[in-house]
Amino acid sequence: AQKITQTQPGMFVQEKEAVTLDCTYDTSDPSYGLFWYKQPSSGEMIFLIYQGSYDQQNATEGRYSLNFQKARKSANLVISASQLGDSAMYFCAMRENTGFQKLVFGTGTRLLVSP
Amino acid sequence: SQTIHQWPATLVQPVGSPLSLECTVEGTSNPNLYWYRQAAGRGLQLLFYSIGIDQISSEVPQNLSASRPQDRQFILSSKKLLLSDSGFYLCAWGDGTVNTEAFFGQGTRLTVV
Repeated sequence: AQKITQTQPGMFVQEKEAVTLDCTYDTSDPSYGLFWYKQPSSGEMIFLIYQGSYDQQNATEGRYSLNFQKARKSANLVISASQLGDSAMYFCAMRENTGFQKLVFGTGTRLLVSP
Repeated sequence: SQTIHQWPATLVQPVGSPLSLECTVEGTSNPNLYWYRQAAGRGLQLLFYSIGIDQISSEVPQNLSASRPQDRQFILSSKKLLLSDSGFYLCAWGDGTVNTEAFFGQGTRLTVV
């Protein structure tokens, strides 16, 4: 069964520094997608970045990049040049390509950016 | 463009009362639909997902149920709410492909008192 693990309940970073949020996953499906979402205090879910299991390159979207290590089954999110507005909950999620394509989330990491 | 509507935004209900949360999607057809629950400060727990009308799978057996009476309508219900049903409920839709993100509604904050 697919599973997502985020082992960091909370992370602190200073403004303008980079931070890495960890995510490991487990699946037996060779085809899957990995996603990162941001959830500010308002509760809305904001999609950040996507990585496909067959993608050769690490995904990047502006200040967000995904450090994809397939053999280790990890998909860490790197936020460069942190901003105060990056303070939020961050969720890693995975969708397998088989069955009903459930989208399963990790428990999240709360990031706090300090001035 | 596609949009997802979820209501109500907040709800306070007494224990033992019924529940009905509605979610509708516009601008797409045959979406995959999801209901998630998020306890305070916690992750998203997948409750139900649906790939078509009357095709609903339950992830967590409990006193909640889901129905999909129309292609773009997804309803979460309960006959009798428990205190433990309190949380933030999120509806989401996806286009059924592995490489596209799911889009979320604004959520319903349910407090059972």
